[in-house]
Amino acid sequence: GAVVSQHPSWVICKSGTSVKIECRSLDFQATTMFWYRQFPKQSLMLMATSNEGSKATYEQGVEKDKFLINHASLTLSTLTVTSAHPEDSSFYICSARDRRFTGELFFGEGSRLTVL
Amino acid sequence: RKEVEQDPGPFNVPEGATVAFNCTYSNSASQSFFWYRQDCRKEPKLLMSVYSSGNEDGRFTAQLNRASQYISLLIRDSKLSDSATYLCAVNRGSNYQLIWGAGTKLIIKP
Repeated sequence: GAVVSQHPSWVICKSGTSVKIECRSLDFQATTMFWYRQFPKQSLMLMATSNEGSKATYEQGVEKDKFLINHASLTLSTLTVTSAHPEDSSFYICSARDRRFTGELFFGEGSRLTVL
Repeated sequence: RKEVEQDPGPFNVPEGATVAFNCTYSNSASQSFFWYRQDCRKEPKLLMSVYSSGNEDGRFTAQLNRASQYISLLIRDSKLSDSATYLCAVNRGSNYQLIWGAGTKLIIKP
């Protein structure tokens, strides 16, 4: 099946620094990628929808200047958490839709961010 | 009211039993429905899509009730390995944005 690779799996950083998370579709082209955040024992919360070659669409309440999303190619989207603070500590997951198929999303392995 | 709601559980079920979860959704225009399984600290993995006519995959059966706006997942002959959190997801719009329930935690006991 389709594979989505997400890196890094774990990251610990100091408060105030920026962290970049990459999401790659390895064997398909992803015109659309989604970024989620999940706090412990809570549901996946959609942060933004990323379309290749255009600006991301952010969900209400998500600061676009803090969570920078770039989808420069059909196989790569990046999420940069700028000036991270402890409250940004969470599990970030990307998913991608294969342009050849409908419905199913393929997920990256997730990135666990801890901000000290 | 949340767009997608699930009973958080946990459901503690003996091995071999049958267990069922429901998931309600508020957007009557939703067209696509899914059940995902999420193990602790892992990404969700698609378990099955839910079709209008209902569908079955081995021990798993999914049903859609449009009139009452809920989907269900039935697991028969439960195994220890079925222990996980089961997330339902419902599409919003045509861009395959999925809205997620908070998940139902299932614990299968020997």
